[in-house]
Amino acid sequence: GAVVSQHPSWVICKSGTSVKIECRSLDFQATTMFWYRQFPKQSLMLMATSNEGSKATYEQGVEKDKFLINHASLTLSTLTVTSAHPEDSSFYICSARDGQGGQPQHFGDGTRLSIL
Amino acid sequence: DAKTTQPPSMDCAEGRAANLPCNHSTISGNEYVYWYRQIHSQGPQYIIHGLKNNETNEMASLIITEDRKSSTLILPHATLRDTAVYYCIVRGNQAGTALIFGKGTTLSVSS
Repeated sequence: GAVVSQHPSWVICKSGTSVKIECRSLDFQATTMFWYRQFPKQSLMLMATSNEGSKATYEQGVEKDKFLINHASLTLSTLTVTSAHPEDSSFYICSARDGQGGQPQHFGDGTRLSIL
Repeated sequence: DAKTTQPPSMDCAEGRAANLPCNHSTISGNEYVYWYRQIHSQGPQYIIHGLKNNETNEMASLIITEDRKSSTLILPHATLRDTAVYYCIVRGNQAGTALIFGKGTTLSVSS
């Protein structure tokens, strides 16, 4: 089945550091990928929709200058958390859909980000 | 996208069938019903989806009522590894439309 690979799986870094998370669709091409964030004991919250070759669409309340998204190819999208602070610590998950219509979205295993 | 309503939690004995309900009374004609589950500290796992017919795969069965206003996910023989949060999500088929997650149902399977 369709596989989405996310890297790294966890990262710990100092406040002020920028962190890049990669999301790859391994066996299909994804013109659209999605980035979610999940805080402890809460559900997934959609952050942005990443479109290949164009600008990402951000959900209300998500700072586009803080969370930079690049979708340079049909199999790779990256999320960069710039100048990360402790409040950015969270579980970040990417997703992509294989095909159009009613095809399901497939999710990566997530990245646990801890900012000290 | 239509909103869904699920019970916050359910319990099930190992080996028994787990029946997870979902209400989606405002679903529209082109919207699919998707079920995912999330085990702690992992990304959501796709289980099954359907439009109006009942569906079955190696993981589960999906029963959609004739009026499409509710559905039930059935895990025929629950195991301890099925303990997870189960999400019922309704989404249209437009390209670029993301899944929006509610709070889901926490299923606890015990021996």
